[in-house]
Amino acid sequence: EVQLVESGGGLVQPGGSLRLSCVDSGFIFSTNWMTWVRQAPGKGLEWVANIKPDGSEKHYVDSVRGRFTISRDNAKNSLYLQMNSLRDEDTAVYYCARGIGDFWGQGTLVTVSS
Amino acid sequence: AIRMTQSPSSFSTSTGDRVTITCRASQGISTYLAWFQHNPGKAPKLLIYAASTLQSGVPSRFSGSGSGTDFTLTISRLQSEDSATYYCQQYYSYPRTFGQGTKVEIK
Repeated sequence: EVQLVESGGGLVQPGGSLRLSCVDSGFIFSTNWMTWVRQAPGKGLEWVANIKPDGSEKHYVDSVRGRFTISRDNAKNSLYLQMNSLRDEDTAVYYCARGIGDFWGQGTLVTVSS
Repeated sequence: AIRMTQSPSSFSTSTGDRVTITCRASQGISTYLAWFQHNPGKAPKLLIYAASTLQSGVPSRFSGSGSGTDFTLTISRLQSEDSATYYCQQYYSYPRTFGQGTKVEIK
């Protein structure tokens, strides 16, 4: 059974950094595009970034480009989101998902606040 | 970025009713459209992809249609467990974009 588990969320001050992780079990991680999606409190879903199976192609929403970096380690079946220069508006539950979203993790909460 | 607009934003209806949610793209996206169901505190669930293909394991009362700029999600006979927020998402171009969501409440 496919299972995605996120970790790394927490409370961070504006301007700070966090690294989110997403570990997969149960499917062939290395052959799938992987995606990060977030939901701010009281808001809808927002697509953040995705990465090609071999890591050679990455895409970002404009609001995070240059601050966030998506990466993966296929040997560890792991997806990452390095988040720098965090802003109040980055506060959200962050989900990892396979491909266009046929499997999702349960999410990890990131709170940016002083 | 392609803008996705859903209507209505929310509504309340009864079990057994037929429900239709519309999603309009600001430019043509062929059939590169997915529908998701989301409940608070849970992972979103893929219902439909390629505008009309039912995801494995999703009940047949859910269906999708449309192409180009106009799409619909239909729930043929609403069940109590269908109370949720529904989102469309285009995956035709980057950045991927979601609609603002449609909250379905059961009377």
